[in-house]
Amino acid sequence: QVQLQESGPGLVKPSETLSLTCTVAGDSVSNRNCYWGWIRQPPGKGLEWIGSIYYSGNTHYNPSLKSRVTIPVDTSKNHFSLKLSSVTAADTAVYYCARIGGGDWGINSWGQGTLVTVSS
Amino acid sequence: QSALTQPASVSGSPGQSITISCTGGDSDVGGYSHVSWYQQHPARAPKLMIFEVTNRPSGVSNRFSGSRSGNTASLTISGLQAEDEADYYCSSYTWRPNPHVVFGGGTRLTVL
Repeated sequence: QVQLQESGPGLVKPSETLSLTCTVAGDSVSNRNCYWGWIRQPPGKGLEWIGSIYYSGNTHYNPSLKSRVTIPVDTSKNHFSLKLSSVTAADTAVYYCARIGGGDWGINSWGQGTLVTVSS
Repeated sequence: QSALTQPASVSGSPGQSITISCTGGDSDVGGYSHVSWYQQHPARAPKLMIFEVTNRPSGVSNRFSGSRSGNTASLTISGLQAEDEADYYCSSYTWRPNPHVVFGGGTRLTVL
């Protein structure tokens, strides 16, 4: 059974870059049958898609965040990351990493989530 | 504003059935079968309940079922139980303006 674990700073200053890593156990980030991605949830609000990446490097970013997001993959460490630049208070949220079904786009596995607060 | 429209809240008594709707457009819900539903309890990660409009992952109760008519997908929960009280989100693949996933705003289910 796949397990995903987010890690990274819980506090980021405005205008800086938010960086998180998702370590995958029980599956491979090179798996051709799925995508690996990030979803966030501001406190008290709904879910928002950030983006995902396929083993080939193809990405699927939220158009509203596309200019600020990258999702690099490190196959040697079996993990993938999120980098969100020029953050503001509006980026404060619980960030989830996830595995997405390659044929059906269902998010079938989720990390526990990590709260990132943007504040000076 | 979410790309997909869900009612903010629904409620039902134990044993009853409820249905949550999720309305999109031709470029998402109505254009592809990649519609999913998630259950989220407070302070927990979401859980996939339905994928590809009607399919249940292994381990999900058959009290949960999905359907679609045109640009509106629906989640029906039959035989309501107290543990079903949670937030429910729909999602859909879309290609516009680039391939990605969109979510509904979420529906709070209260079991009376």
